[in-house]
Formats: sequence, structure tokens, C-alpha cells
Amino acid sequence: SYVLTQPPSESVAPGQTATIACGGNNVGRKSVHWYQQKPGQAPVLVVYDDSDRPSGIPERFSGSNSGNTATLTISRVEAGDEADYFCQVWDSNSNVVFGGGTKLTVL
Amino acid sequence: EVQLVESGGGLVEPGGSLRLSCAVSGFIFNSYWMHWVRQVPGKGLVWVSRINTDGSVTTYADSVKGRFTISRDNAKNTLYLQMHNLGAEDTAVYFCVRDTSMARVYFDYWGQGILVTVSS
Repeated sequence: SYVLTQPPSESVAPGQTATIACGGNNVGRKSVHWYQQKPGQAPVLVVYDDSDRPSGIPERFSGSNSGNTATLTISRVEAGDEADYFCQVWDSNSNVVFGGGTKLTVL
Repeated sequence: EVQLVESGGGLVEPGGSLRLSCAVSGFIFNSYWMHWVRQVPGKGLVWVSRINTDGSVTTYADSVKGRFTISRDNAKNTLYLQMHNLGAEDTAVYFCVRDTSMARVYFDYWGQGILVTVSS
């Protein structure tokens, strides 16, 4: 089955740039989607199709995908960006696959 | 406004059954594939099942295959998840999720989640 690997945690100072990696075998050939989840809330889609943003998501959120790693980048990090972030793909054999999630801490 | 509201969760004994419902509003329900995703509190997201627009196609994660059944009533704008032979490993928050139903599978709207606890 297809596996997506994320670092359990990342930390960043306010105003700096956070990068969250999502690794998978040839993930660059798939469309990767990213969700933000704050404590006690449902996930929210923040990036889809590797690098597109849904309406209402700040331009500070961006994504890229190449080779074996997809990346979510959050520029000018704010305290309100502290959350868990999950990557997700569709795999024809495994169906919907989520990464294990990365807890982003804003220092 | 798009809304997905789950109900039917609660405490159930091992080996028991439970049916979750998800009432939707604010969009044309029968135009969208729908999914269930679950999450053990404090852990990651795990996909459970999906159903196509008219209910004729369903898919399940291996961990629930043969025990869970996804269905929908388009006249009632409601998605269901019938769960049988529940075990402790099924304890989780269950989210009803709308698939954008584009060529790529991803989720643009989520319910608030409903807790299912399997315990004696």
C-alpha cells in the first residue's frame, strides 16, 4: 500500500517561513492536497493539486511537489497557523492516503 | 452555506453495531461523491469508505471491509455508515466528508465529527 511520510513536528518563529514535507514514492506523479487541523476542529483544505489554494486561504500558504517529496510552505507565519497539517493523495491501489501529520508549533 | 452534520455516535460494547448519519445541506447532494474519514483523538486521519453519487459504487479500507457499509439517501440528503462487529480499534471521531468530485480525489467540506467509543 502507498505510504506518505511526514515529520511529526516542526517549529518556527513568528514571521518566519515554515516548510512541511510529505514524502512518498514518486509522489511527484500524484496530486497532493494539504489540510490544516486545529485542536477540536475538523480539517480545513489549505492547498489542493500540489499548489492551488481554495478561496479564503491566505496567499501565505503555498505548495510544491516533485520527485519523492511534496512540500507545504507557510510564509510569514502567524500564531494562528499553529495546527496539525496533513498531506493526502489518491492512489489507485490504496484509495485515499493521508500522511501521519505534522504538528506545527509557532514559537 | 454548505453544512454536514453527523449524528448517531456514542458508546457501544465490543461486537456491537452502530449507524452513523450525516445530514447535508447547502449543495446538490446527489452531484457529489461522499466519504467517511476517522481519527483517533490525537492521532492521524484515516480514510474509511466512499460512495459515488447514486450509491452504486462503494469502496472500503481493508480494516473495515466486511463490517462497515456506506450508503446514501439522496432524497433525504443523508449519508450513512452502518458499522457492525465493532472493536476497540474502531474507537475514533468519524468525519463525513464531501469529495470535490473532480478528477482528483480530495475534500473541500468536512462535518464537525462524531465520536464513537467502543468499550465494555
